[in-house]
Amino acid sequence: DTGVSQDPRHKITKRGQNVTFRCDPISEHNRLYWYRQTLGQGPEFLTYFQNEAQLEKSRLLSDRFSAERPKGSFSTLEIQRTEQGDSAMYLCASGPRGEPGYEQYFGPGTRLTVT
Amino acid sequence: AQSVAQPEDQVNVAEGNPLTVKCTYSVSGNPYLFWYVQYPNRGLQFLLKYITGDNLVKGSYGFEAEFNKSQTSFHLKKPSALVSDSALYFCAVRDATGGFKTIFGAGTRLFVKA
Repeated sequence: DTGVSQDPRHKITKRGQNVTFRCDPISEHNRLYWYRQTLGQGPEFLTYFQNEAQLEKSRLLSDRFSAERPKGSFSTLEIQRTEQGDSAMYLCASGPRGEPGYEQYFGPGTRLTVT
Repeated sequence: AQSVAQPEDQVNVAEGNPLTVKCTYSVSGNPYLFWYVQYPNRGLQFLLKYITGDNLVKGSYGFEAEFNKSQTSFHLKKPSALVSDSALYFCAVRDATGGFKTIFGAGTRLFVKA
């Protein structure tokens, strides 16, 4: 069990640029979440995958955000035309298959700074 | 709609004293409830959860939490605080009767003084 990994750990970009983040979940986990966390707040749910299917997506997520998990393993989160308000920590978490009351295992996060 | 409230931004306690970090929740169905901890420069770590059964659940590092359905609360407790318990604590809820969305509270910073 190598844990959840995220890449890159830090990203600085200029407003208007596109960015893509990668998440590698724990290998036997089929559930995958993306969250956004800003200073002084808890993680805010963005989207949920079960295997390769995106089953739930926050209504707060604008059309500039898209996520994929094409083979049910790693996932990518893309933000198009970044804005300064997108600056935050982006967290990925995975969960095991089967049991409904599962806990989530979090990666270290990708800190995005939009200048 | 689901929601979680952590009414205290910070809790201060002396080492060796009992600690309580409060959490109340709102969910349309039955809740799955969780506590996570975040140490400086480290990712969120799972502490404990309530799924069903006994209202008192025990977790990592000597922490426990009590589920109270009538008060819709899930307070985190520890009988004797350690300086190393100082961290940011998050309560979270997921609706057990449908959906996968997990809602987190804003967090409570615990400061344990030696």
